[in-house]
Amino acid sequence: EADIYQTPRYLVIGTGKKITLECSQTMGHDKMYWYQQDPGMELHLIHYSYGVNSTEKGDLSSESTVSRIRTEHFPLTLESARPSHTSQYLCASSESAGDQFFGPGTRLTVL
Amino acid sequence: QKEVEQDPGPLSVPEGAIVSLNCTYSNSAFQYFMWYRQYSRKGPELLMYTYSSGNKEDGRFTAQVDKSSKYISLFIRDSQPSDSATYLCATIKTSYDKVIFGPGTSLSVIP
Repeated sequence: EADIYQTPRYLVIGTGKKITLECSQTMGHDKMYWYQQDPGMELHLIHYSYGVNSTEKGDLSSESTVSRIRTEHFPLTLESARPSHTSQYLCASSESAGDQFFGPGTRLTVL
Repeated sequence: QKEVEQDPGPLSVPEGAIVSLNCTYSNSAFQYFMWYRQYSRKGPELLMYTYSSGNKEDGRFTAQVDKSSKYISLFIRDSQPSDSATYLCATIKTSYDKVIFGPGTSLSVIP
């Protein structure tokens, strides 16, 4: 079944820890995105990729990094988590650009 | 000035009402227009995808684009409590550009 998965769904972690948020899609889409969204607030694009070995920073400055070694996988890593990183992180993929399929999100809390 | 503007609401209507959600955008180069629906604590899902000016209907939903006034609308007929969500308008110049999302309008349909 075509879908996009994010793990973990919820994560509570202490300051200074390294974390990786996983995102996988089974649709074979070349384009993948990471957004950050605080409750009731706008979506902010933090990273995107148009294919394997291609990654770009988005509009919102982020201390995270991403990699795209396989088409279906687009993990996001925070080397040292801080309370300011507390937010919801949404992964999306698309074949064209407008019809983005979003994952369920990872709600991150950094204590 | 933001590229896409939306009234954040919240908008509260009785069940069965016709709902009108609106966005304005600033760049006449935008060609593709989308409406996404986002339920609380979920990722957005694509509702409507239109190209250039005109109307597009899908069940109880009608998307309308007026490029001359840079105005896009989503109409929901016979609104249902299950329509209660945040609605984000979005736009893009070409399929290789990043999607620009509006901040979203929160809608509550009261039974």
